[in-house]
Amino acid sequence: GAGVSQSPSNKVTEKGKDVELRCDPISGHTALYWYRQSLGQGLEFLIYFQGNSAPDKSGLPSDRFSAERTGGSVSTLTIQRTQQEDSAVYLCASSSNTGETQYFGPGTRLLVL
Amino acid sequence: QKEVEQNSGPLSVPEGAIASLNCTYSDRGSQSFFWYRQYSGKSPELIMFIYSNGDKEDGRFTAQLNKASQYVSLLIRDSQPSDSATYLCAVNLNFNKFYFGSGTKLNVKP
Repeated sequence: GAGVSQSPSNKVTEKGKDVELRCDPISGHTALYWYRQSLGQGLEFLIYFQGNSAPDKSGLPSDRFSAERTGGSVSTLTIQRTQQEDSAVYLCASSSNTGETQYFGPGTRLLVL
Repeated sequence: QKEVEQNSGPLSVPEGAIASLNCTYSDRGSQSFFWYRQYSGKSPELIMFIYSNGDKEDGRFTAQLNKASQYVSLLIRDSQPSDSATYLCAVNLNFNKFYFGSGTKLNVKP
């Protein structure tokens, strides 16, 4: 595609529910990154993929968070048993290879009530 | 100690002036350095990247890197109100992780 796309753009859920966020990277980009940005804060690294592999999962806040990538393209970030502190904007970025410039998607705004 | 430090601002400059944004990083193994601009409610967009010591110019923007001092800056010449945004410094370490600073908010006053 022309750019990184993410869905849904907004998600409101109740505490305790599971949510799934989707990222569709730029076509041909092998590296994919997930970040979280709380209101007025910087970007918090969550996880990155090189192809379908996630060499570094150290940024995931807890075992409620998981991510996968299939076919070297689309990635999903799943948050189980959501908590109010999970409320944030979740940003996905892709790059042609690790270490190269990242291009960001529009983000998913998650609100946990 | 955070990997990337930025002054949160806000930095206020008059229209037409030079805005100077600064960033320091902690890991000497850092490979590449990026400046992103983020408008309120929007996602970050790349302005410039720099790999080597010295200056890199692109239009009104100049990135400066000093690896010995672990310091990278962004100069914006002839600042415009449309430049008002939060500027994020990002550092790439070992081609694996990107560390972002918390950003500096810039206000350009007409």
